[in-house]
Amino acid sequence: AAGVIQSPRHLIKEKRETATLKCYPIPRHDTVYWYQQGPGQDPQFLISFYEKMQSDKGSIPDRFSAQQFSDYHSELNMSSLELGDSALYFCASSPPLTGSYGYTFGSGTRLTVV
Amino acid sequence: RKEVEQDPGPFNVPEGATVAFNCTYSNSASQSFFWYRQDCRKEPKLLMSVYSSGNEDGRFTAQLNRASQYISLLIRDSKLSDSATYLCAVNKWGSQGNLIFGKGTKLSVKP
Repeated sequence: AAGVIQSPRHLIKEKRETATLKCYPIPRHDTVYWYQQGPGQDPQFLISFYEKMQSDKGSIPDRFSAQQFSDYHSELNMSSLELGDSALYFCASSPPLTGSYGYTFGSGTRLTVV
Repeated sequence: RKEVEQDPGPFNVPEGATVAFNCTYSNSASQSFFWYRQDCRKEPKLLMSVYSSGNEDGRFTAQLNRASQYISLLIRDSKLSDSATYLCAVNKWGSQGNLIFGKGTKLSVKP
């Protein structure tokens, strides 16, 4: 079965650079969630989209922005990268009306800022 | 108080042991509760949803105590392959919305 696809799997950037992470949800899933997980930390909710509109916002820095496109894929744009942004970034998607019950995570993008 | 709290462990147990994890949550309006398993450097994978009446899936039993606002996970007859971090997750509000995760409890099952 198709899963949540994230790209790239690994990314190395320098401080103050920008990065774009992509997430392709499971077909017919209309909700996308972004999480950040630092080393030894729990996943922290960043932002979510439902039907291409932002549905909730968590601890996402102002330097980050995200959107969901007409094909339901989502991109997380990160600017002025800092060393502390080094983390695993997970995307999850869920189908209509299932809310939290339908969560499926992608394999994540490991971002390293040097 | 953090929204979702767990004992980080580690829990080091021998094969065949029974081990239990607890997780407390602060938002009494939460309706949906889950246990996820996360292996090192991998994505969280849903282990079990937690229902009000409690539920069992093989060696795993999950329970919910709304009055005390905690959920628990019991693993019987531990296997080496159960070694992982177990994250509890609580939805932010109602049965929709994003999940708030605990920091996870690390379990190490030894031969």
